Amino acid sequence: EPEVTQTPSHQVTQMGQEVILRCVPISNHLYFYWYRQILGQKVEFLVSFYNNEISEKSEIFDDQFSVERPDGSNFTLKIRSTKLEDSAMYFCASSRTSGRPYEQYFGPGTRLTVT
Amino acid sequence: AQSVTQPDIHITVSEGASLELRCNYSYGATPYLFWYVQSPGQGLQLLLKYFSGDTLVQGIKGFEAEFKRSQSSFNLRKPSVHWSDAAEYFCAQPHSNYQLIWGAGTKLIIKP
Repeated sequence: EPEVTQTPSHQVTQMGQEVILRCVPISNHLYFYWYRQILGQKVEFLVSFYNNEISEKSEIFDDQFSVERPDGSNFTLKIRSTKLEDSAMYFCASSRTSGRPYEQYFGPGTRLTVT
Repeated sequence: AQSVTQPDIHITVSEGASLELRCNYSYGATPYLFWYVQSPGQGLQLLLKYFSGDTLVQGIKGFEAEFKRSQSSFNLRKPSVHWSDAAEYFCAQPHSNYQLIWGAGTKLIIKP
């Protein structure tokens, strides 16, 4: 069964450093998403991406964040200058374009620790 | 504002006993609703979904959920839990443009 994959599984970085989290969505999906879950808190939407552009973003997704689909398979989330409060589990998800686009499939997540 | 509420932070159930996890939603006459499970160290796996039609939906791993419009609820059930069901369970609902709104999650603890 196809699945969403994410790398790395755990990333430790120092405050102020740039990080790139990588995702490979399911191959025939065309909508892509990033969510995050701060320890002990709800899962929060960050951004959705379709047709090579952001379709929606939350208040969390400020100028420090960016997303990119650099090739036909990868989908990345970049945080330019990490803050302590960026420490969280980051989930990538994807969904099909037709039928039931709401059915989102998630990757295993990347745990980001900012020190 | 749209919200999804899971009133139980933790639930402890004996192995073999039945389970019901509560979820209430606040938006939409006929909402789309999901249950996801997150096992320790794992990602979010879709258990089941409701879009329309039959209000009792079956999912994977022996789970089912019932949509009740009158109560704005979409409770998750399982007749007999197994130790491997220990995980955190999330109810979610789409917001406009496919963004998912999440409940706070319910952590299921299984007693031997």
